[in-house]
Amino acid sequence: ETGVTQSPTHLIKTRGQQVTLRCSSQSGHNTVSWYQQALGQGPQFIFQYYREEENGRGNFPPRFSGLQFPNYSSELNVNALELDDSALYLCASTGQQNYGYTFGSGTRLTVV
Amino acid sequence: RKEVEQDPGPFNVPEGATVAFNCTYSNSASQSFFWYRQDCRKEPKLLMSVYSSGNEDGRFTAQLNRASQYISLLIRDSKLSDSATYLCVVNGEGAAGNKLTFGGGTRVLVKP
Repeated sequence: ETGVTQSPTHLIKTRGQQVTLRCSSQSGHNTVSWYQQALGQGPQFIFQYYREEENGRGNFPPRFSGLQFPNYSSELNVNALELDDSALYLCASTGQQNYGYTFGSGTRLTVV
Repeated sequence: RKEVEQDPGPFNVPEGATVAFNCTYSNSASQSFFWYRQDCRKEPKLLMSVYSSGNEDGRFTAQLNRASQYISLLIRDSKLSDSATYLCVVNGEGAAGNKLTFGGGTRVLVKP
């Protein structure tokens, strides 16, 4: 059984650029959610997808957008990057929400 | 007021001792609850789900008090390897759909 994999592991971007982060869900998981974790803080919920439809969103501006594909893999897109977007971005998947989520090891994004 | 609040610690714990800490949540409609463990610069990993009747997994005991809206975690016979940040996580349905909310984490340092 493969876990949740994310790519890339590290990324450096310039302010104003756009970035796409990718996530492959654990086998059999149809729900994926994305989080932003700044240094020293808990993860902040960005949004969640269930069967290719967004079914939950946190307090993030529209320049944070996502997609889920038929194979349940997912993308997080961030437009017009700002310095404060520098963080660890985590993807997590689950087959049943009451049973908890499995996290990928994250993508560390640095915006300069 | 934050939706999920935790004492950030650190809790300095002698090896072999017992440590307990709480988490409070504001959304009374929250449906499921979890404790995650996060090591430095790693992804969160599910420690245990929290059930209304309370549940135990080895040296770890979790309790949920819906009336007072708090969750607790108790670690008995602390090991050096228990040193980590413990994240309280609440899953509930909000105006924007399903939402997984993390506390800021409680840091535990077990010392010889």
